[in-house]
Amino acid sequence: QKEVEQDPGPLSVPEGAIVSLNCTYSNSAFQYFMWYRQYSRKGPELLMYTYSSGNKEDGRFTAQVDKSSKYISLFIRDSQPSDSATYLCAMTPNTGTASKLTFGTGTRLQVTL
Amino acid sequence: GAVVSQHPSWVICKSGTSVKIECRSLDFQATTMFWYRQFPKQSLMLMATSNEGSKATYEQGVEKDKFLINHASLTLSTLTVTSAHPEDSSFYICSARPGLADFFGPGTRLTVL
Repeated sequence: QKEVEQDPGPLSVPEGAIVSLNCTYSNSAFQYFMWYRQYSRKGPELLMYTYSSGNKEDGRFTAQVDKSSKYISLFIRDSQPSDSATYLCAMTPNTGTASKLTFGTGTRLQVTL
Repeated sequence: GAVVSQHPSWVICKSGTSVKIECRSLDFQATTMFWYRQFPKQSLMLMATSNEGSKATYEQGVEKDKFLINHASLTLSTLTVTSAHPEDSSFYICSARPGLADFFGPGTRLTVL
């Protein structure tokens, strides 16, 4: 079993829809959670960063962490065609300089007109 | 957010030659940088952790003599793919952690003929 599970998709939604992206994990030591967006042939771009459980909102994006269920989510409101990309969840037990990130496989999202 | 650059963005080389990829943190200092490779439609695979002023730490299965890493300053890490072969063709991405989250470079696409 992988430490982080993420549905690879592809997920296709119409423009304006609310998108829900999710990851589950097995390592209870994970404390810091990140969502990255990666366009084709580009490096990942940090979207959201959260610590421990709770919600965090930034514009059209909301990140949720439920540590009791070992489940994290990213919601995208009013989705746009420019949101079409691969979304990667990542997590780590601590933020020490040498602490490694563990990634999900990424979910491909396609927002259609 | 913090800015990480990579150079070159793409490179084509002949089999048997060596290729150097640079990773720079433009607006912060990084004692640690990370090198990843990514195959099409797959997630990032950590290759090694680059440590300023000391030897890199390689992940299991990554040949340290083939993928030479030098972190000579607080803003520059280099990855040299020695005696490159077609199977080394991939997307190489570096990252650095100025605070709590990791920021990625735009990636370098290597094609070995």
